[in-house]
Amino acid sequence: QVQLVESGGGVVQPGRSLRLSCAASGFTFSSYGMHWVRQAPGKGLEWVAHISRDGRSTHYADSVTGRVTISRDNSNNRLFLQMNGLMTDDTAVYYCVREREGGPLDVWGKGTLVTVSS
Amino acid sequence: EIVMTQSPATLSVSPGERATLSCRASQSVSSNLAWYQQKPGQAPRLLIYGASTRATGIPARFSGSGSGTEFTLTISSLQSEDFAIYYCQQYNNWPWTFGQGTKVEIK
Repeated sequence: QVQLVESGGGVVQPGRSLRLSCAASGFTFSSYGMHWVRQAPGKGLEWVAHISRDGRSTHYADSVTGRVTISRDNSNNRLFLQMNGLMTDDTAVYYCVREREGGPLDVWGKGTLVTVSS
Repeated sequence: EIVMTQSPATLSVSPGERATLSCRASQSVSSNLAWYQQKPGQAPRLLIYGASTRATGIPARFSGSGSGTEFTLTISSLQSEDFAIYYCQQYNNWPWTFGQGTKVEIK
């Protein structure tokens, strides 16, 4: 079945870096744009980043621009999010999400929790 | 950045009643609007896309309408499993943005 499984979350000190990974299965990964969406504890959803099917085009939320890089490995069906200069406001569950052609986010992983704390 | 504003923040409804949720965009997003449902401890689920098209497996009691800047999600007869938080999201312009959510609770 179609599945997205995130990993790489954990507790990290402010200013440090973290790399999240998402393993995709059950569909042709290289045919879909992919996104990261996050949710701070008790808060709403915040779109973070997008990467096109071939990895050539990316977009970022203003809140993470310059600190975050989204990338993908279509050979191994993996999506990544490199986060640098982490701040306490980056504490959230990070979801890996597939984009249905045309835009909506139709498949979501279960998320991985990132906690930024000293 | 397009700001999505949902109302009300909380909606108290009895089972079997109709629920109407609103979403307003700060500028036109055409019909590039989706609705998601999220239950506690779960990832969001796509309900509606293209403002009015139900996603695969979504019951007919869920319907969406609107275009431009004003959108509505209607749940015709609330079932126990429908009590959750609902988010609208625009995918017309980068950066994509979500509304702050409407919590549908049992009255």
